[in-house]
Formats: sequence, C-alpha cells, structure tokens
Amino acid sequence: KAGVTQTPRYLIKTRGQQVTLSCSPISGHRSVSWYQQTPGQGLQFLFEYFSETQRNKGNFPGRFSGRQFSNSRSEMNVSTLELGDSALYLCASSLEGGGTQYFGPGTRLTVL
Amino acid sequence: AQSVTQPDIHITVSEGASLELRCNYSYGATPYLFWYVQSPGQGLQLLLKYFSGDTLVQGIKGFEAEFKRSQSSFNLRKPSVHWSDAAEYFCAVGAMVTGGGNKLTFGTGTQLKVEL
Repeated sequence: KAGVTQTPRYLIKTRGQQVTLSCSPISGHRSVSWYQQTPGQGLQFLFEYFSETQRNKGNFPGRFSGRQFSNSRSEMNVSTLELGDSALYLCASSLEGGGTQYFGPGTRLTVL
Repeated sequence: AQSVTQPDIHITVSEGASLELRCNYSYGATPYLFWYVQSPGQGLQLLLKYFSGDTLVQGIKGFEAEFKRSQSSFNLRKPSVHWSDAAEYFCAVGAMVTGGGNKLTFGTGTQLKVEL
C-alpha cells in the first residue's frame, strides 16, 4: 500500500496570506490527524478528522481549520499567516482513529 | 492530561555500541505507547508500539522497547547501533479522547549521533 502523501512538500508565503495543505491517507484509513512541528514547541496536535467530521481539536487559534472529504483526503487551512506559523506540518492516518498513526513526509511552510 | 518526558536531548554513541533511549509518561489509564524516528527533513516513521500484552515489544530495524508500568517508562533499546540510526527519536503516548479516536502527545525528542 502507498503511504500517507502530503502536498506540497514546501511552501513559502508572506504574512497575512492564507495557505491550504493537502493530505491523502493510506488506502482504507478513515482518520486523519494533523500536527505542527516547530523547534520551540515540538510536535503539537492540531485536529483529527473522521468520516468528514472534526472529532478532536488541539489548542490552536481559529485561523487553523481543516476538512475531510468523502474519500478521506484532508485539507488544512491557515488564514492570516503569522511568522510563528512557520513549521513542518505533519499529517497522520489511522484506520479508525483509535490505533496506530502513520505519518506522511510533511509540508514545510515558511512564512516571510 | 497526558505527558511524555524524554530526559536526554542529545546522545552520542559509537557504532556497534548498545543504545538505550529513555521515555517516561504520565497518563491516568493504560497507555498506548509509541516510538517514532525522524530523519532530517522527513516525516515520522513508526519503530514500534505497545497497546497491551507482552511488555517487551519488538520493532523494526532491530529496536525493542520495554513497558514498565511501575516506573511509567517505555525505554527504547538496540543492542548494536549502526551509523544509519543517527536521527531524532520521539516517544509518544496515545490518549483516547471523548468522541472517539486518540491524539498523540509527544516527548521533546532525543537526537542520536553515531560516531564511526
């Protein structure tokens, strides 16, 4: 089976812009979770989607949002970008959300 | 709330030497525990996991970990390190949350350097 794929791999944006990141889970996996990784804060949970519904959410401002489509693919959107949003954004998929999470290669977002 | 502590930020070992990376967790119930490895610029690769049962779990690349409930620990070990093992290692605890599913809480990671 193909692994979790994320596009694009790299993005450069400027402050105030918005960005959309995409994640395709492993075939058959219905849960998609998003994490932010920064040198200062480490790996932090953003949110989880299951069956097109946000099931869990971390402590991030409302500028961070996401959605999931009927084929389980997920997108994450960040509006009004700030310099502090520069990070590696990782997507993980699991069968039902309660088990092992498998990670994609990440999207490296740089905000200038 | 759950938490994970990896007390060693950096560890350097010689190739062929044994390795132990420490992980302590805090969680009110029986935890799901994981070790992931990350190479520079890459995502996280699952090394091994513990859900229940045998407290000594085997993973990929010759790694193993032992769950010790009394010490709230889940240390990662490898008997003989290879230069290709140089990477950052993350311990994580998976907590079931209301509404189903779980979220992973990660430690701060241990950067492993292997000297030839």
